[in-house]
Amino acid sequence: AQTVTQSQPEMSVQEAETVTLSCTYDTSESDYYLFWYKQPPSRQMILVIRQEAYKQQNATENRFSVNFQKAAKSFSLKISDSQLGDAAMYFCASLGGATNKLIFGTGTLLAVQP
Amino acid sequence: EAGVAQSPRYKIIEKRQSVAFWCNPISGHATLYWYQQILGQGPKLLIQFQNNGVVDDSQLPKDRFSAERLKGVDSTLKIQPAKLEDSAVYLCASSLAGQGLGTETQYFGPGTRLLVL
Repeated sequence: AQTVTQSQPEMSVQEAETVTLSCTYDTSESDYYLFWYKQPPSRQMILVIRQEAYKQQNATENRFSVNFQKAAKSFSLKISDSQLGDAAMYFCASLGGATNKLIFGTGTLLAVQP
Repeated sequence: EAGVAQSPRYKIIEKRQSVAFWCNPISGHATLYWYQQILGQGPKLLIQFQNNGVVDDSQLPKDRFSAERLKGVDSTLKIQPAKLEDSAVYLCASSLAGQGLGTETQYFGPGTRLLVL
């Protein structure tokens, strides 16, 4: 079974600062993928970044990067130079290669202060 | 490239009424998913289609929920009769689900917000 845990219900960051959102997961599968999705108030779920578990190198997408610690089953998201448009609910999710089932955490609501 | 389309965006019904949602996935995507997202929670998978066949419907309340994807493209999700606890956002997603890297990434539509009174 897969589980995803986000222990921070809410976070706040000043504009232009850096913030890290935490995520831990558990899976019995050897082949899996990890994702961070962003859901603004309009509710369209947008893919932020993805990580293949077999890759040791941390994924980056512009101002977004992850810290993937496979042994610790940790997958945190770092947002650099935060912008007002980054304010949203962020969901961490895992997808098992065998089950092909995407399991979401409970989300972290990020507020960006001007 | 057009994204996942869903309609309607909002629906208000009374309990025991019926409701249907429509989804059109990204062109060429073989796999289609319906999720239920209750306020304050992450999405929960209801049903997954591969082309027009059901892959996983283990979390679909089959006594009241039904879904179909007859021609392997767009899909409808129906609730009959609706209960108060069905109030949620219903998200549709699709993925390429072929061979190779990136095919498993799911892309989401804007969702349908359902309120059952």
